[in-house]
Amino acid sequence: GAVVSQHPSWVICKSGTSVKIECRSLDFQATTMFWYRQFPKQSLMLMATSNEGSKATYEQGVEKDKFLINHASLTLSTLTVTSAHPEDSSFYICSASWRLEAGELFFGEGSRLTVL
Amino acid sequence: KQEVTQIPAALSVPEGENLVLNCSFTDSAIYNLQWFRQDPGKGLTSLLLIQSSQREQTSGRLNASLDKSSGRSTLYIAASQPGDSATYLCAHSYYGQNFVFGPGTRLSVLP
Repeated sequence: GAVVSQHPSWVICKSGTSVKIECRSLDFQATTMFWYRQFPKQSLMLMATSNEGSKATYEQGVEKDKFLINHASLTLSTLTVTSAHPEDSSFYICSASWRLEAGELFFGEGSRLTVL
Repeated sequence: KQEVTQIPAALSVPEGENLVLNCSFTDSAIYNLQWFRQDPGKGLTSLLLIQSSQREQTSGRLNASLDKSSGRSTLYIAASQPGDSATYLCAHSYYGQNFVFGPGTRLSVLP
């Protein structure tokens, strides 16, 4: 199957700093990428949908200025958590697709963010 | 509002048992349904994708079925092994849209 790489896999930062997480599709061009947040023992919560070259579409309740998403190329999307606080600590997962109507969606390994 | 529920929330079985995981959704107009596996602290791995015109899919010891009219899907795991221990998530999508995930079933297969 197609490979989606996420980096870093874990990060610890101080409160007030910004953290960037990268999501790359290694062997295909992803027209659409998604960012999810997952709390312990809970399911995935969609944060935003990004299409290459356009602004991300955020889900209700997700702060656009807190979670900056950029999808500058067909193989890379980034999520920047700005001015991170302890409540932003979570597991963040990205997924990518080039043929969403066919249900083909591939996931990264996730990035665990801990804000001290 | 789209809702996906999964029963049971957790399951512990001895090795070798056959087991069934259940997934229910409220809207019969879904397009695709997919079962995923998630190991602790990891991303998701797709197990089986049932597309709009299909009713079931099989891969090795796994079989997934879909009944849109009743809003149900089941994942059947034959001859379970300790390596099958993980959280199993079902998710459905409408045409060209993102998947909506259920809360998952945490499976433990005891040696």
